[in-house]
Amino acid sequence: DTAVSQTPKYLVTQMGNDKSIKCEQNLGHDTMYWYKQDSKKFLKIMFSYNNKELIINETVPNRFSPKSPDKAHLNLHINSLELGDSAVYFCASSQEPSGSAFTDTQYFGPGTRLTVL
Amino acid sequence: GENVGLHLPTLSVQEGDSAVIKCTYSDSASNYFPWYKQELGKRPQLIIDIRSNVGEKKDQRIAVTLNKTAKHFSLHITETQPEDSAVYFCAASANQGGKLIFGQGTELSVKP
Repeated sequence: DTAVSQTPKYLVTQMGNDKSIKCEQNLGHDTMYWYKQDSKKFLKIMFSYNNKELIINETVPNRFSPKSPDKAHLNLHINSLELGDSAVYFCASSQEPSGSAFTDTQYFGPGTRLTVL
Repeated sequence: GENVGLHLPTLSVQEGDSAVIKCTYSDSASNYFPWYKQELGKRPQLIIDIRSNVGEKKDQRIAVTLNKTAKHFSLHITETQPEDSAVYFCAASANQGGKLIFGQGTELSVKP
């Protein structure tokens, strides 16, 4: 069974559109994250949720809105897509927020490659 | 805030040789240092991690060493194999809600 899954795997869309990426984890973890990996492979955290509560909100345009309906799901909605949003978006989860406990390993999903034309 | 830097963007070794990738960090409050391996088109996967109360950790051919005074930690891979070829990311966390700050990645190439 896939531990952290994301849909869709690929997303190609036009500038100005609104799109969503979904993430689910079946590890029973309390914390979930969204990362953006740009064309130079740089991985940067965007958001983190612990038990459905937002705990990290990096300097991300407010066109990006995460939503956690329950602690097993963290979705990412992006409004008014721009060319610069093209990247691979990774969801991850950990039992505790990293750095806080011994069970803080972050497990990544397979990624969603977003291409904005 | 935390700044994590990798010294080498690329590293090429012969199969069987050792590879060492060094990473620096800036925040002395950082207490958790994982290394991730990412193969082309795949997800990052944790290969080893170390906490600030330990100086070294080993798992078969892979080890990580931490120097808190100098604020750097290194990944050591012995007896490298072609399947070790990947991008390796270091990261650091200072227990700020789970925020992992990643370095830029070193692309390791193991030549048969």
